[in-house]
Amino acid sequence: SQQGEEDPQALSIQEGENATMNCSYKTSINNLQWYRQNSGRGLVHLILIRSNEREKHSGRLRVTLDTSKKSSSLLITASRAADTASYFCATNTDKLIFGTGTRLQVFP
Amino acid sequence: ETGVTQTPRHLVMGMTNKKSLKCEQHLGHNAMYWYKQSAKKPLELMFVYSLEERVENNSVPSRFSPECPNSSHLFLHLHTLQPEDSALYLCASSPGQGTYYGYTFGSGTRLTVV
Repeated sequence: SQQGEEDPQALSIQEGENATMNCSYKTSINNLQWYRQNSGRGLVHLILIRSNEREKHSGRLRVTLDTSKKSSSLLITASRAADTASYFCATNTDKLIFGTGTRLQVFP
Repeated sequence: ETGVTQTPRHLVMGMTNKKSLKCEQHLGHNAMYWYKQSAKKPLELMFVYSLEERVENNSVPSRFSPECPNSSHLFLHLHTLQPEDSALYLCASSPGQGTYYGYTFGSGTRLTVV
């Protein structure tokens, strides 16, 4: 069963702009994770935010978590063409369940 | 390279063939997973192994048969597959079972059933 749902499904921006992706989930979680997938490749773990955390940063990535709304957002600042990929949120109870992802296209 | 290696990268097989997908990790992780990724569908968790024991089998058809001979290796044996089984099969590992850690994924095997 699908736990996380990303929004929007697709996003196109110019280099230098910020990209924001949202994730909503249904049940209680221990943590929420964001992953990135380049076309046809494996997923790469980006960041994990625990249920008692509200915000976390990693380089140009900023993740927020609102457990009352069961939602999270991933912000990529100053985007680059190399950020073009699909981004997934994954939530857990005892196993990671992924959404369908947001396809981000960054144009040079 | 992520530390999780999957072979082969691409596989084309007929519906009557038998083949195996291989996954190898040397990260010292104790849990390994098989996921299936089909076009426009969420990743589907197929199998979970923890310390070489299968702890989860998400109603996967018996034509998919996993094997975990040791904590570093995971196989997915395939036989009499259907065209709808064509997908990207991803292997992942984590330090322990459960989701307190990020998962490390391999690059996947692109399977086409003809």
